Amino acid sequence: EDKVVQSPLSLVVHEGDTVTLNCSYEVTNFRSLLWYKQEKKAPTFLFMLTSSGIEKKSGRLSSILDKKELFSILNITATQTGDSAIYLCAVDAGENYGGSQGNLIFGKGTKLSVKP
Amino acid sequence: SQTIHQWPATLVQPVGSPLSLECTVEGTSNPNLYWYRQAAGRGLQLLFYSVGIGQISSEVPQNLSASRPQDRQFILSSKKLLLSDSGFYLCAWSGEQGWTEAFFGQGTRLTVV
Repeated sequence: EDKVVQSPLSLVVHEGDTVTLNCSYEVTNFRSLLWYKQEKKAPTFLFMLTSSGIEKKSGRLSSILDKKELFSILNITATQTGDSAIYLCAVDAGENYGGSQGNLIFGKGTKLSVKP
Repeated sequence: SQTIHQWPATLVQPVGSPLSLECTVEGTSNPNLYWYRQAAGRGLQLLFYSVGIGQISSEVPQNLSASRPQDRQFILSSKKLLLSDSGFYLCAWSGEQGWTEAFFGQGTRLTVV
């Protein structure tokens, strides 16, 4: 069975700390791994990773994929209270789910709380 | 630009009552459409997906059904709600660029009492 596992499930840090969120996966037909940030309602897209070892960066956030060890990490440096959210990792399982776009298998998320 | 509308935002329904959640997409054609449910502590779970009008695939056996009467309309329904149907329901669509242009609706918080 395809699955995505995120750790830790929750994390409390103080402003200025650096955090690392983990995502491991087991899927039959891997196409890509995506990170989303969910604050109050709908998830918003952060990164899509398809190749190992290539870091994606956006401001204080960065992410990298290891396709050999089947995991990805999301780093947030100099955290701010506005980073408080649930961070979702999802894997595009491709053709298993039919259609040309495949389907996303989501982890349970990591709830990050940044205290002032 | 593409937009996705989902309603209602919140809903409180008694056990045994029917359900209808609606999702519409604007600014694109022939999108793939999805219904997800987010139960507490369980992440986002795919319920249904559709690649075209009248084409519905179900991922999880459940008390719910979905329909796609028009290209950009996706409806989630139930004839009789159960307490276990409570949760946060998200509609999503993806286009030709795949999930980098995937968009989610604002969600519906359903509480079955």
